[in-house]
Amino acid sequence: KNQVEQSPQSLIILEGKNCTLQCNYTVSPFSNLRWYKQDTGRGPVSLTIMTFSENTKSNGRYTATLDADTKQSSLHITASQLSDSASYICVVSDGTGANNLFFGTGTRLTVIP
Amino acid sequence: ETGVTQTPRHLVMGMTNKKSLKCEQHLGHNAMYWYKQSAKKPLELMFVYNFKEQTENNSVPSRFSPECPNSSHLFLHLHTLQPEDSALYLCASSQEAQSERFTDTQYFGPGTRLTVL
Repeated sequence: KNQVEQSPQSLIILEGKNCTLQCNYTVSPFSNLRWYKQDTGRGPVSLTIMTFSENTKSNGRYTATLDADTKQSSLHITASQLSDSASYICVVSDGTGANNLFFGTGTRLTVIP
Repeated sequence: ETGVTQTPRHLVMGMTNKKSLKCEQHLGHNAMYWYKQSAKKPLELMFVYNFKEQTENNSVPSRFSPECPNSSHLFLHLHTLQPEDSALYLCASSQEAQSERFTDTQYFGPGTRLTVL
């Protein structure tokens, strides 16, 4: 069964600290993995997309890693800011189209001053 | 903003009401989607339109009826809903719904928070 699991479910960190969010998947075949950020009251916004051959990709203070062998991805946030408070959703595609995107339940991150 | 707008942002309706959700995208995309987002659950894909043709209906109850009059507009007509239908309904668009390896980015609207009493 194709699944995407994220951990932790929620996380609270102090402003300025780093954190890492995890995404494990069982989707097969694998095409790409995307991380979305969803602010409260808004729709998800794409942060990064990684294909099979990519191990690391950065977008400002966000760095995503992918290990296609172990089917794991992580999103590392450096020097967190209050505006990083949001839900982070991992989405895996099997490459066949939008009807075969597998969504995680997300990690709720709260950054406190 | 993402270029995808949704109205209304909030909706409270009784189980016997009829209402419609509206989505508009200003990105020139050819694919539009409806998703349901419930607390602590993954996003659930409801409907997919590709070049104005419905290509996917993921076993959605008939009390939800989509309409796509053109590639920029998408509606979700609601009729005799149940309290368990209360959720955030998200509209999204992308260049196409099916492309090689599907690396298209989906752009989401802010959603309509629906409460069914």
